[in-house]
Amino acid sequence: DADVTQTPRNRITKTGKRIMLECSQTKGHDRMYWYRQDPGLGLQLIYYSFDVKDINKGEISDGYSVSRQAQAKFSLSLESAIPNQTALYFCATSDLRGKGYHGYTFGSGTRLTVV
Amino acid sequence: AQRVTQPEKLLSVFKGAPVELKCNYSYSGSPELFWYVQYSRQRLQLLLRHISRESIKGFTADLNKGETSFHLKKPFAQEEDSAMYYCALSGNAGGTSYGKLTFGQGTILTVHP
Repeated sequence: DADVTQTPRNRITKTGKRIMLECSQTKGHDRMYWYRQDPGLGLQLIYYSFDVKDINKGEISDGYSVSRQAQAKFSLSLESAIPNQTALYFCATSDLRGKGYHGYTFGSGTRLTVV
Repeated sequence: AQRVTQPEKLLSVFKGAPVELKCNYSYSGSPELFWYVQYSRQRLQLLLRHISRESIKGFTADLNKGETSFHLKKPFAQEEDSAMYYCALSGNAGGTSYGKLTFGQGTILTVHP
């Protein structure tokens, strides 16, 4: 089973609709992140959370919101989807405990198309 | 502000040839640098970290603080190395951005037979 699970894997939605992307993890990590991937732009940080009570905006948070329902769950919402939010969205987790920082564990991604 | 630049969007080599994927960074401190790889239809995965000075799948990367670079190298490329490669930076321990990665734009490597 995957350590970091994203649902749905693919989604097509209409302009103006509200949509939620979900991420859950079994790694026990405190930190969770949402990134979007666009060709030529790489990965851009949308929101991140260092623990359940901590939510922070990333580089491109406009038009998005998040909810950290539990240590293991971090959801990304598009309140009113627009076509330029068509992208591949990745959730990631990380941990600073133990011997220090070891980088991210990524989910498989959600491909979102807004028509 | 921290920034990572990968100047090549696409890189093509032939099997057995050396390959170097360039990465330059901007950070006012001692960063931690990483390379991530994304094979076709697979999730992004950590390839190597500069702090561990390891070689994974024949790839190595040396942090050059003078040139603010962290280029990824492999002496003999294989077809299975074809993938998207991302360079990433985390601020130094103790800083507010420690553990939060900034990614470059990515380089698509194609190794031809």
